[in-house]
Amino acid sequence: TQLLEQSPQFLSIQEGENLTVYCNSSSVFSSLQWYRQEPGEGPVLLVTVVTGGEVKKLKRLTFQFGDARKDSSLHITAAQPGDTGLYLCAGDWGAGNNRKLIWGLGTSLAVNP
Amino acid sequence: ETGVTQSPTHLIKTRGQQVTLRCSSQSGHNTVSWYQQALGQGPQFIFQYYREEENGRGNFPPRFSGLQFPNYSSELNVNALELDDSALYLCASSLVGYEQYFGPGTRLTVT
Repeated sequence: TQLLEQSPQFLSIQEGENLTVYCNSSSVFSSLQWYRQEPGEGPVLLVTVVTGGEVKKLKRLTFQFGDARKDSSLHITAAQPGDTGLYLCAGDWGAGNNRKLIWGLGTSLAVNP
Repeated sequence: ETGVTQSPTHLIKTRGQQVTLRCSSQSGHNTVSWYQQALGQGPQFIFQYYREEENGRGNFPPRFSGLQFPNYSSELNVNALELDDSALYLCASSLVGYEQYFGPGTRLTVT
């Protein structure tokens, strides 16, 4: 069974602080995606990382894919209240008819003003 | 380019009833995936349709069924509704295995 463990599950921080969210697995993924979801809406794709060791930046968000393509992290610098939401990672696993997305359970982030 | 749309937005049903939820995929996408999401949790994969055929299924009972039409839109049908079926139902379109583009979801409440 392929699992993608996200940590922490919940995070409440003050505006201006930094934070890191982790996605870990024993499975190797061909790519990994990060999504952000606000209450009452569907998840929105933030980034896809493909190459082992890849680092992508999206303004104050930095995404890294592990060298072995089994784990990933999302680092937010100087968090803002607008960053509040559920952050989800999803790994692209398998090939052919067995190809599927493996989802983490999410990290619920609250940034307090 | 039109995004993923879902209907209805909200729905209230009684235990034992049947419900049909609808999804229109993003232009150019041939794959639709359906998810059930409880409050504060990640999406749970129900099933995926690729070119009108089921192409993978999660751990959901047979009373959860679906269809995909030639224009790649899709339906999710749930029979014999149970209280635990209350959730946000998300539809996502994609090219097979690629990034998923989600609709806003249908909030189903079973009483």
